[in-house]
Parts: sequence; C-alpha cells; structure tokens
Amino acid sequence: GNSVTQMEGPVTLSEEAFLTINCTYTATGYPSLFWYVQYPGEGLQLLLKATKADDKGSNKGFEATYRKETTSFHLEKGSVQVSDSAVYFCALSRYSGGGADGLTFGKGTHLIIQP
Amino acid sequence: KAGVTQTPRYLIKTRGQQVTLSCSPISGHRSVSWYQQTPGQGLQFLFEYFSETQRNKGNFPGRFSGRHFSNSRSEMNVSTLELGDSALYLCASSSGTVNEKLFFGSGTQLSVL
Repeated sequence: GNSVTQMEGPVTLSEEAFLTINCTYTATGYPSLFWYVQYPGEGLQLLLKATKADDKGSNKGFEATYRKETTSFHLEKGSVQVSDSAVYFCALSRYSGGGADGLTFGKGTHLIIQP
Repeated sequence: KAGVTQTPRYLIKTRGQQVTLSCSPISGHRSVSWYQQTPGQGLQFLFEYFSETQRNKGNFPGRFSGRHFSNSRSEMNVSTLELGDSALYLCASSSGTVNEKLFFGSGTQLSVL
C-alpha cells in the first residue's frame, strides 16, 4: 500500500536559517505529492503540491521537487521566520486534488523557529 | 466566503457511548472527507462523501460511519466509543472533482474517558 515517511522532529532552527524537511514515499503508479501545514489550533492548509516527476511546487518561499528516482519530495526554505513555526505534513494521493479516495499522510514534522 | 465549519470544537465522552460530529462545508462544495488525527497514528482517512453517497472509505471499523445531506452538510458518528477513539477529527471539503484542492476545518477534539 501507499505510505509516506518524514522526519518527525521537533526541528528547532534560528530565524533566517535554511530549512529542509525530508519526505520519502512508497506508492503504486504516479501519485500527486503535497505539503500541508497546520498552525496551532487550526486545520490543515495546502502549502504546495506537485503532480508529476520533476515538477517543483512553491509557495510563500517554500519549495519542493518531485523526485521519482529517489521517491522523495523534500521541503525547503532559504530563510525561515518565527511565523513559520507549525507542523508540516507530507502527503500523497492518486489525484491532484487529494480528495476522492483520500490523502495518505506522513506523521508530521513539528518546526520551531526561535528569534 | 465562510470556511469549513466543524461543531462542536471539543467533546468529552465516556467509553461505550456514541457521538455525532458535524461538518458544514464551504458553500457550493459537494464533497466532504473525514480524517482522524492522533499522536500515534497521525492523520488517517476515514471516508469521503459526494452528493450524499459514500465514494471511498478508509480502513476503520464499522463503528465509524457518516452521513451526507442534500445541503452538503455531513455528520460523522462513532458508536461504542473506545479510549483509542480519542483524537482530533478533521473534516475537509472540495468541489468534488478529483483535481480540486481540499479545504480543512479546525476539527473536533474528542476525548474518551
């Protein structure tokens, strides 16, 4: 079956540091890949996605590239801010929207940015 | 445009009871999905409804069930509650086509004592 593995953290960084959160997946076919973010007390928000190999998703300074050869979708940001503190989830789905037959999520990575 | 609304925000029940959670999707959205979030298992897909019909179901026991109404509001019911059902239950809505993004609510935090 499908699965997603990501570092769980917590990951603690200083403001303006470089961020990488690793994500690898196991899936049949060619899934779409997602990064979701969950701020305290809120629901999940789609951060970015990529729907085919070598696609790069980007949003709010975050980027992730769909690497089929290494089955990875690592999240990166060049300079993090305190406001980026949240839990980040890597996920995959058969469809590019993620609905219909559901998303398969990783366990989530708690990111803490210190001023 | 209002977001996805889940009620209640917090709920405390005892083992053996049943519970019903409610979700109001974004206006115009015809699909509602439910997820369970626990510290141990993370986020897991429960089921998805489209136009009052369950389209897909995750790997949960029959104690977990749902309903979808003609106004697109959805309810999730858990019968014979167990301690392990303590979780944050998230609802997500979308237009219903498989390539449209999901919008999540803030969830209902269920505690089973």
